[in-house]
Amino acid sequence: AQSVTQLDSHVSVSEGTPVLLRCNYSSSYSPSLFWYVQHPNKGLQLLLKYTSAATLVKGINGFEAEFKKSETSFHLTKPSAHMSDAAEYFCVGHNQGGKLIFGQGTELSVKP
Amino acid sequence: KAGVTQTPRYLIKTRGQQVTLSCSPISGHRSVSWYQQTPGQGLQFLFEYFSETQRNKGNFPGRFSGRQFSNSRSEMNVSTLELGDSALYLCASSLQGLAGVTSSYEQYFGPGTRLTVT
Repeated sequence: AQSVTQLDSHVSVSEGTPVLLRCNYSSSYSPSLFWYVQHPNKGLQLLLKYTSAATLVKGINGFEAEFKKSETSFHLTKPSAHMSDAAEYFCVGHNQGGKLIFGQGTELSVKP
Repeated sequence: KAGVTQTPRYLIKTRGQQVTLSCSPISGHRSVSWYQQTPGQGLQFLFEYFSETQRNKGNFPGRFSGRQFSNSRSEMNVSTLELGDSALYLCASSLQGLAGVTSSYEQYFGPGTRLTVT
């Protein structure tokens, strides 16, 4: 991807409600896209990846993302939020130059 | 299988000094990439090493350098530290690295080194 934009810098949900973290990409070719999660004082952990095999990608911890070429989107969803999901989430693209392009991150808060 | 390890975890340095950070990749991984994470700039790619060769680099000044050893361990050096170099430095390893469009370049990140420059 040439650029990756996360549309929300902060999202707050209640425990048990759905999660939607939005990501748009800009690319002149079919991109590879990833979602990573970063808990405080930890490194990034891969949640899921899209590499053109299937448009709906399932990841760890109940997360999934759908690649929509017509909308240039790769939104991350989860049906029911858990307190442990509170973290920062990064949408990441891979460009042909061999670099990862990170979105600015979305901080997810989960209220009890 | 042990994950990516980074040492030290925390570091405090003074302006003008230099610093060396270390990263040990997952066993069998030949690619190591380095990233700088700051609140203002987010995550930015520094460089990638594959089989002891720098394969790609980001837009950072020459004060930032790195190297990779034959066992794939990597070090990153920053000379003449500036206040703006204060950041979390993350290392990531992968089997095949970031080159190529169809290769599997899933990256595994270490916990990072928190560098504070005073």
